[in-house]
Amino acid sequence: NAGVTQTPKFQVLKTGQSMTLQCAQDMNHNSMYWYRQDPGMGLRLIYYSASEGTTDKGEVPNGYNVSRLNKREFSLRLESAAPSQTSVYFCASSVRQGHTGELFFGEGSRLTVL
Amino acid sequence: EDQVTQSPEALRLQEGESSSLNCSYTVSGLRGLFWYRQDPGKGPEFLFTLYSAGEEKEKERLKATLTKKESFLHITAPKPEDSATYLCALPGAGSYQLTFGKGTKLSVIP
Repeated sequence: NAGVTQTPKFQVLKTGQSMTLQCAQDMNHNSMYWYRQDPGMGLRLIYYSASEGTTDKGEVPNGYNVSRLNKREFSLRLESAAPSQTSVYFCASSVRQGHTGELFFGEGSRLTVL
Repeated sequence: EDQVTQSPEALRLQEGESSSLNCSYTVSGLRGLFWYRQDPGKGPEFLFTLYSAGEEKEKERLKATLTKKESFLHITAPKPEDSATYLCALPGAGSYQLTFGKGTKLSVIP
């Protein structure tokens, strides 16, 4: 049972390059999330999708865009990467927004922007 | 502004030495407090949900408790495999989205 799968696991970009982080879940969950985790800052919500067809900004959305492609997939795009976007990115899913607070996380995508 | 504060930032214990981790919060109208475990290089893994003051949940050597202003994660006779970062999280006022604390990094030395 794969759970939440993120690709790529590692990526190095130059400033100004673009890329998309992919996330897929196989648990038939309605809600999906993108977080970033930085030393000393904890996990911060970038964007979320409460259900298929909807997306909303989280705490730190600037410089990112998202697409909820279908119920399974939720992608995060960096249009013009900046060194400040160097981070570990986690995708997560839940049965539905507000359901118990149990999120299922992927293993993370480690991004370095030079 | 809602805040979640975890202490200590790091904790080193000898195997078998029991201790507690703290998560204090200032959100009004608590709608649940959640504990997660995160191993190095992995995503967080859900442990417990607590909804009301006085509630307790247990899993192996871990017991989570909740008061009106804070939660404790008690670790009894820890083993090296309990070494991880422990995160607490709760929904902000008027939102279902979780705000995470910065975590406590627990190291259990054999």
